[in-house]
Amino acid sequence: DAGVIQSPRHEVTEMGQEVTLRCKPISGHNSLFWYRQTMMRGLELLIYFNNNVPIDDSGMPEDRFSAKMPNASFSTLKIQPSEPRDSAVYFCASSLVSEQYFGPGTRLTVT
Amino acid sequence: GESVGLHLPTLSVQEGDNSIINCAYSNSASDYFIWYKQESGKGPQFIIDIRSNMDKRQGQRVTVLLNKTVKHLSLQIAATQPGDSAVYFCAENINNYGQNFVFGPGTRLSVLP
Repeated sequence: DAGVIQSPRHEVTEMGQEVTLRCKPISGHNSLFWYRQTMMRGLELLIYFNNNVPIDDSGMPEDRFSAKMPNASFSTLKIQPSEPRDSAVYFCASSLVSEQYFGPGTRLTVT
Repeated sequence: GESVGLHLPTLSVQEGDNSIINCAYSNSASDYFIWYKQESGKGPQFIIDIRSNMDKRQGQRVTVLLNKTVKHLSLQIAATQPGDSAVYFCAENINNYGQNFVFGPGTRLSVLP
């Protein structure tokens, strides 16, 4: 298996633009997680899905952030409009039981 | 991936020595713990886990110790190698489904030649 796949790996955008991050979990995994990592806050859970259903989105910072999982093999995290403080590395992870497998991350820079 | 930052605790060890990385967790109800390793430019990678009904678990060159009385977790790495240089995170989970983890701030391990 190729592991968790994220795209793009790097994204640079201007403040106010819409940003969409994509994730393909490991085939057969039933849970998917979106994390954000910054120097100031470390690794934070934003939202997770179980069997494509959002279970806990309490970590989503505000209404500008939204996440979807239309099927078992694809999820998106959207930021609209983006702001400079959204600059971070965004990780997607998937799991079957408890161990989470992380993707390589998307480094987002909002200028 | 960015491995967090300027204010991370750092542990420097000589190659071949043993390393001990410590973690204080926050919730006495946490029942499952995982140690992750994050190398520069990569996502966190599972190392070893332990449930709250155990106080010690061993893997290959790694041992995790759990002290529930003081809410403390440690990761011991035997015969530390240059490839062990990374940021190490402990993560705690408080529900039985093992889904929602809270990650610690991380410790940067630097292996000296």
